[in-house]
Amino acid sequence: DAGVIQSPRHEVTEMGQEVTLRCKPISGHNSLFWYRQTMMRGLELLIYFNNNVPIDDSGMPEDRFSAKMPNASFSTLKIQPSEPRDSAVYFCASTSGTSYNEQFFGPGTRLTVL
Amino acid sequence: AQSVTQPDIHITVSEGASLELRCNYSYGATPYLFWYVQSPGQGLQLLLKYFSGDTLVQGIKGFEAEFKRSQSSFNLRKPSVHWSDAAEYFCAVGGGNFGNEKLTFGTGTRLTIIP
Repeated sequence: DAGVIQSPRHEVTEMGQEVTLRCKPISGHNSLFWYRQTMMRGLELLIYFNNNVPIDDSGMPEDRFSAKMPNASFSTLKIQPSEPRDSAVYFCASTSGTSYNEQFFGPGTRLTVL
Repeated sequence: AQSVTQPDIHITVSEGASLELRCNYSYGATPYLFWYVQSPGQGLQLLLKYFSGDTLVQGIKGFEAEFKRSQSSFNLRKPSVHWSDAAEYFCAVGGGNFGNEKLTFGTGTRLTIIP
């Protein structure tokens, strides 16, 4: 298996622009998690899905952030409009219902908002 | 609510020395416990995990961890560190009946290796 795939790996954009991050979970996994990592705040869970349904979005910072999972093999995290404080590394992780919560992480997307 | 405490923000050890990274957790039932490692510019990689059974678990790269229920701890150890072990280490706790609920991560411990 190719593991969790994230794209793009790096994104540089200007303040006010829309940013879309993409994630393809491991085939057969039914839970997907979006995290944000910064030096100041560490690793934060933004939202997670079970069977394509959002379960807990309490970590989403504000309405500028939205996430979707239209099918079992694809998810997006959108920031609109982006702000410099959104600069971070965004990770996607997936797990299956039989793996006792062991999460498999993607390589991350490094977002820089100028 | 579940929580994880990694009391050491940064640890420096000499190459070849032994290592112990501390992790304390709070969880209302039997926890599932994990240690992940993150090298600079990389994602998180699983080192080892505990679900049940033997409280001493072995992982990759020569790491091991011991679950101590009475102390709510899951400390990570390695008898002899290598320069390539320099990285950030995260302890995490989870659980749930369905096996796919969220994990709670600690704030991480940065490990520096000196020659």
